[in-house]
Amino acid sequence: QSALTQPPSASGSPGQSVTISCTGTSSDVGGYNDVSWYQQHPGKAPKLMIYEVTRRPSGVPDRFSGSKSGNTASLTVSGLQAEDEADYYCSSYEGSNTVVFGGGTKVTVL
Amino acid sequence: QVQLQESGPGLVKPSQTLSLTCTVSGGSINNGGYYWTWIRQHPGKGLEWIGNIFYTGSTYYNPSLKGRITMSVDTSKNQFSLKLNSVTAADTAVYYCARDNTIRGLIMVWGQGTLVTASS
Repeated sequence: QSALTQPPSASGSPGQSVTISCTGTSSDVGGYNDVSWYQQHPGKAPKLMIYEVTRRPSGVPDRFSGSKSGNTASLTVSGLQAEDEADYYCSSYEGSNTVVFGGGTKVTVL
Repeated sequence: QVQLQESGPGLVKPSQTLSLTCTVSGGSINNGGYYWTWIRQHPGKGLEWIGNIFYTGSTYYNPSLKGRITMSVDTSKNQFSLKLNSVTAADTAVYYCARDNTIRGLIMVWGQGTLVTASS
């Protein structure tokens, strides 16, 4: 089980968009539509923002969107707001009833 | 709504066994369809999926930790537990219990997390 690859950091000014990538293999991201994205503020538990690549749980702003192409999934945050500054983690199902996470991306709102 | 709360020692000596329990409130652990999950986060690092257990007792573990992990469920107490043996300093982390809706990583409910330090 190898962690999915995410860039360590990303940033944008308020109102701008930022996109975070999550690269895996054909055995995880590329093989299943079970990619989730989590937001984590310091000292807090993660919060589900996107599931099944593109779906948003109730209560998550539509500024958050997900997509996937091949072995790479992406999370886009549009109209960046100060409260979006956090760590973001992707996860993917990898078969055999196991899940793998990405290394995390710190998003900074400039 | 369903809430999860981790409990257990915050300090474990190297070579000993880490034991944590997660108490489920606001819903029954017997409510089929959910996979009761453990995830950890090393200090300043990313999330690591440890494994999960169904209310029937079926378990699925991270292959990198297999052999050291045991998960169990106590439906009468609405709790599930994690045991990790032969701990080293590398097992120092915040441990989260969580509820996966699908076994495929759709985790909507998380505990607050508990820091476990492996040190003599």
